[in-house]
Amino acid sequence: SQQGEEDPQALSIQEGENATMNCSYKTSINNLQWYRQNSGRGLVHLILIRSNEREKHSGRLRVTLDTSKKSSSLLITASRAADTASYFCATDAYGNNRLAFGKGNQVVVIP
Amino acid sequence: ETGVTQSPTHLIKTRGQQVTLRCSSQSGHNTVSWYQQALGQGPQFIFQYYREEENGRGNFPPRFSGLQFPNYSSELNVNALLLGDSALYLCASSGEGTSPYTQYFGPGTRLTVL
Repeated sequence: SQQGEEDPQALSIQEGENATMNCSYKTSINNLQWYRQNSGRGLVHLILIRSNEREKHSGRLRVTLDTSKKSSSLLITASRAADTASYFCATDAYGNNRLAFGKGNQVVVIP
Repeated sequence: ETGVTQSPTHLIKTRGQQVTLRCSSQSGHNTVSWYQQALGQGPQFIFQYYREEENGRGNFPPRFSGLQFPNYSSELNVNALLLGDSALYLCASSGEGTSPYTQYFGPGTRLTVL
Protein backbone atom coordinates (compact mmCIF):
# COMPACT_ATOMS: atom_id res chain seq x y z
CA SER A 1 0.00 0.00 0.00
CA GLN A 2 1.09 3.58 -0.54
CA GLN A 3 2.50 4.90 2.68
CA GLY A 4 4.51 7.97 1.85
CA GLU A 5 2.77 11.09 0.73
CA GLU A 6 4.94 13.78 -0.75
CA ASP A 7 4.14 17.47 -0.58
CA PRO A 8 4.19 19.49 -2.83
CA GLN A 9 3.45 17.14 -5.68
CA ALA A 10 4.65 19.45 -8.46
CA LEU A 11 7.39 22.03 -8.27
CA SER A 12 8.79 24.35 -10.89
CA ILE A 13 11.93 26.32 -10.07
CA GLN A 14 14.71 28.25 -11.75
CA GLU A 15 18.13 26.74 -12.14
CA GLY A 16 20.28 27.60 -9.12
CA GLU A 17 17.36 27.71 -6.69
CA ASN A 18 16.79 25.18 -3.94
CA ALA A 19 14.01 22.60 -4.12
CA THR A 20 12.39 21.21 -1.01
CA MET A 21 10.02 18.26 -0.89
CA ASN A 22 8.26 16.78 2.10
CA CYS A 23 7.06 13.28 2.77
CA SER A 24 4.78 11.96 5.48
CA TYR A 25 4.17 8.38 6.46
CA LYS A 26 1.84 6.52 8.77
CA THR A 27 3.58 3.58 10.41
CA SER A 28 6.90 3.08 12.20
CA ILE A 29 9.93 2.56 10.00
CA ASN A 30 13.39 1.07 9.97
CA ASN A 31 14.59 3.49 7.31
CA LEU A 32 13.34 5.95 4.72
CA GLN A 33 14.77 6.32 1.25
CA TRP A 34 14.49 8.86 -1.53
CA TYR A 35 14.56 7.92 -5.20
CA ARG A 36 14.63 9.82 -8.48
CA GLN A 37 12.88 8.70 -11.65
CA ASN A 38 13.43 10.20 -15.08
CA SER A 39 10.69 9.99 -17.71
CA GLY A 40 8.89 7.02 -16.17
CA ARG A 41 11.88 4.73 -16.30
CA GLY A 42 13.93 3.02 -13.59
CA LEU A 43 14.37 4.46 -10.13
CA VAL A 44 17.72 5.74 -8.93
CA HIS A 45 18.51 5.50 -5.24
CA LEU A 46 19.50 8.90 -3.86
CA ILE A 47 19.85 8.60 -0.12
CA LEU A 48 18.82 6.45 2.84
CA ILE A 49 18.23 7.69 6.35
CA ARG A 50 17.79 5.29 9.24
CA SER A 51 15.15 5.77 11.91
CA ASN A 52 17.75 6.75 14.50
CA GLU A 53 19.21 9.47 12.28
CA ARG A 54 17.88 13.01 12.03
CA GLU A 55 19.79 14.46 9.10
CA LYS A 56 21.96 13.20 6.30
CA HIS A 57 23.85 14.84 3.46
CA SER A 58 25.01 13.56 0.12
CA GLY A 59 26.48 16.09 -2.29
CA ARG A 60 23.75 18.65 -3.00
CA LEU A 61 21.13 16.57 -1.18
CA ARG A 62 20.06 17.02 2.41
CA VAL A 63 17.51 14.75 4.01
CA THR A 64 15.89 15.21 7.39
CA LEU A 65 13.77 12.75 9.32
CA ASP A 66 11.40 13.49 12.18
CA THR A 67 10.06 10.18 13.47
CA SER A 68 7.85 11.90 16.06
CA LYS A 69 6.00 13.67 13.23
CA LYS A 70 6.47 10.75 10.82
CA SER A 71 7.85 13.09 8.19
CA SER A 72 10.92 13.61 6.07
CA SER A 73 12.17 16.33 3.79
CA LEU A 74 14.51 16.30 0.81
CA LEU A 75 16.39 19.46 -0.08
CA ILE A 76 18.22 19.80 -3.37
CA THR A 77 20.51 22.80 -3.32
CA ALA A 78 21.65 24.81 -6.34
CA SER A 79 19.34 22.91 -8.68
CA ARG A 80 20.33 22.09 -12.24
CA ALA A 81 18.26 21.36 -15.32
CA ALA A 82 19.41 17.73 -15.00
CA ASP A 83 17.57 17.52 -11.66
CA THR A 84 14.28 17.63 -13.57
CA ALA A 85 12.63 14.35 -12.57
CA SER A 86 10.08 12.76 -10.28
CA TYR A 87 11.21 12.21 -6.71
CA PHE A 88 9.76 9.52 -4.46
CA CYS A 89 10.11 8.79 -0.80
CA ALA A 90 9.86 5.16 0.25
CA THR A 91 9.64 3.67 3.71
CA ASP A 92 11.08 0.35 4.80
CA ALA A 93 9.25 -0.76 7.91
CA TYR A 94 11.45 -3.72 8.89
CA GLY A 95 14.74 -3.23 7.10
CA ASN A 96 13.89 -5.93 4.57
CA ASN A 97 13.81 -3.83 1.40
CA ARG A 98 10.04 -4.12 0.96
CA LEU A 99 9.40 -0.50 0.18
CA ALA A 100 6.20 1.50 0.41
CA PHE A 101 6.41 4.43 -1.98
CA GLY A 102 4.63 7.74 -2.01
CA LYS A 103 2.98 9.20 -5.09
CA GLY A 104 5.99 11.29 -5.98
CA ASN A 105 6.98 14.88 -6.59
CA GLN A 106 7.46 16.16 -10.11
CA VAL A 107 10.26 18.72 -10.16
CA VAL A 108 10.96 20.88 -13.20
CA VAL A 109 14.12 22.97 -13.18
CA ILE A 110 14.01 25.75 -15.73
CA PRO A 111 17.39 26.65 -17.25
CA GLU B 1 23.61 2.06 -15.10
CA THR B 2 22.69 -0.20 -12.19
CA GLY B 3 23.60 -3.53 -13.77
CA VAL B 4 19.98 -4.69 -13.46
CA THR B 5 18.35 -5.44 -16.79
CA GLN B 6 14.76 -6.18 -17.71
CA SER B 7 13.12 -7.59 -20.79
CA PRO B 8 11.19 -6.84 -22.80
CA THR B 9 11.15 -3.04 -22.71
CA HIS B 10 7.59 -2.78 -23.91
CA LEU B 11 4.82 -5.33 -24.27
CA ILE B 12 1.25 -5.22 -25.49
CA LYS B 13 -1.21 -7.93 -24.51
CA THR B 14 -4.97 -8.38 -24.57
CA ARG B 15 -7.27 -9.08 -21.66
CA GLY B 16 -7.20 -12.66 -20.45
CA GLN B 17 -3.73 -13.40 -21.79
CA GLN B 18 -0.72 -14.36 -19.73
CA VAL B 19 2.61 -12.53 -19.64
CA THR B 20 6.12 -13.25 -18.38
CA LEU B 21 8.53 -10.46 -17.57
CA ARG B 22 12.22 -11.07 -16.93
CA CYS B 23 14.83 -9.48 -14.73
CA SER B 24 18.55 -10.07 -14.54
CA SER B 25 19.97 -9.01 -11.21
CA GLN B 26 23.24 -7.32 -10.57
CA SER B 27 26.06 -9.80 -10.03
CA GLY B 28 26.19 -11.15 -6.48
CA HIS B 29 22.67 -10.00 -5.57
CA ASN B 30 20.55 -12.73 -4.01
CA THR B 31 17.37 -10.74 -3.34
CA VAL B 32 15.00 -9.44 -5.98
CA SER B 33 11.82 -7.45 -5.50
CA TRP B 34 9.14 -6.65 -8.04
CA TYR B 35 7.04 -3.48 -8.12
CA GLN B 36 4.09 -2.30 -10.18
CA GLN B 37 3.90 1.38 -11.04
CA ALA B 38 0.67 2.68 -12.54
CA LEU B 39 0.79 5.91 -14.51
CA GLY B 40 1.20 8.90 -12.23
CA GLN B 41 1.59 6.77 -9.11
CA GLY B 42 4.43 5.50 -6.99
CA PRO B 43 5.58 1.88 -7.28
CA GLN B 44 3.72 -0.76 -5.30
CA PHE B 45 5.49 -3.78 -3.86
CA ILE B 46 4.37 -7.05 -5.47
CA PHE B 47 6.68 -9.63 -3.92
CA GLN B 48 10.27 -10.41 -3.01
CA TYR B 49 12.46 -13.45 -3.61
CA TYR B 50 15.50 -14.45 -1.60
CA ARG B 51 17.62 -17.37 -2.72
CA GLU B 52 14.84 -18.76 -4.92
CA GLU B 53 12.12 -18.63 -2.26
CA GLU B 54 9.29 -16.10 -2.03
CA ASN B 55 10.16 -13.94 0.93
CA GLY B 56 7.25 -11.56 1.27
CA ARG B 57 4.26 -10.45 -0.77
CA GLY B 58 2.30 -7.26 -1.14
CA ASN B 59 -1.41 -6.87 -1.72
CA PHE B 60 -1.56 -8.60 -5.09
CA PRO B 61 -3.73 -11.57 -6.10
CA PRO B 62 -2.31 -15.06 -6.76
CA ARG B 63 -2.44 -14.54 -10.52
CA PHE B 64 0.76 -12.57 -9.95
CA SER B 65 3.49 -15.15 -9.43
CA GLY B 66 7.23 -15.26 -9.67
CA LEU B 67 10.34 -17.34 -9.88
CA GLN B 68 13.95 -16.78 -8.98
CA PHE B 69 16.62 -18.95 -10.56
CA PRO B 70 19.95 -20.21 -9.19
CA ASN B 71 21.77 -17.47 -11.08
CA TYR B 72 19.43 -14.99 -9.30
CA SER B 73 17.66 -13.91 -12.46
CA SER B 74 13.92 -13.84 -11.99
CA GLU B 75 10.53 -13.80 -13.68
CA LEU B 76 7.21 -12.17 -12.95
CA ASN B 77 4.21 -13.98 -14.38
CA VAL B 78 0.76 -12.50 -14.60
CA ASN B 79 -2.20 -14.65 -15.62
CA ALA B 80 -5.64 -13.61 -16.82
CA LEU B 81 -4.57 -10.06 -17.59
CA LEU B 82 -6.92 -7.21 -16.76
CA LEU B 83 -6.93 -3.70 -18.19
CA GLY B 84 -5.83 -2.48 -14.76
CA ASP B 85 -2.62 -4.47 -15.03
CA SER B 86 -1.32 -1.91 -17.51
CA ALA B 87 1.69 -0.40 -15.75
CA LEU B 88 5.44 -0.15 -15.58
CA TYR B 89 6.87 -3.23 -13.87
CA LEU B 90 10.13 -2.71 -12.06
CA CYS B 91 12.49 -5.20 -10.53
CA ALA B 92 15.10 -4.30 -7.96
CA SER B 93 17.99 -6.35 -6.65
CA SER B 94 20.07 -6.20 -3.52
CA GLY B 95 22.39 -8.46 -1.60
CA GLU B 96 25.99 -9.14 -0.71
CA GLY B 97 28.39 -6.51 -1.86
CA THR B 98 25.92 -3.64 -1.71
CA SER B 99 25.40 -1.00 0.88
CA PRO B 100 22.90 -2.16 3.51
CA TYR B 101 19.35 -1.92 2.21
CA THR B 102 20.29 -0.25 -1.09
CA GLN B 103 18.26 -1.63 -3.95
CA TYR B 104 19.21 -1.24 -7.57
CA PHE B 105 16.31 -0.89 -9.97
CA GLY B 106 16.11 -1.99 -13.54
CA PRO B 107 14.70 0.26 -16.29
CA GLY B 108 11.33 -1.47 -16.19
CA THR B 109 8.96 -3.20 -18.59
CA ARG B 110 5.96 -1.19 -19.74
CA LEU B 111 2.97 -3.49 -20.11
CA THR B 112 -0.12 -2.35 -21.95
CA VAL B 113 -3.24 -4.48 -21.74
CA LEU B 114 -5.87 -3.82 -24.41
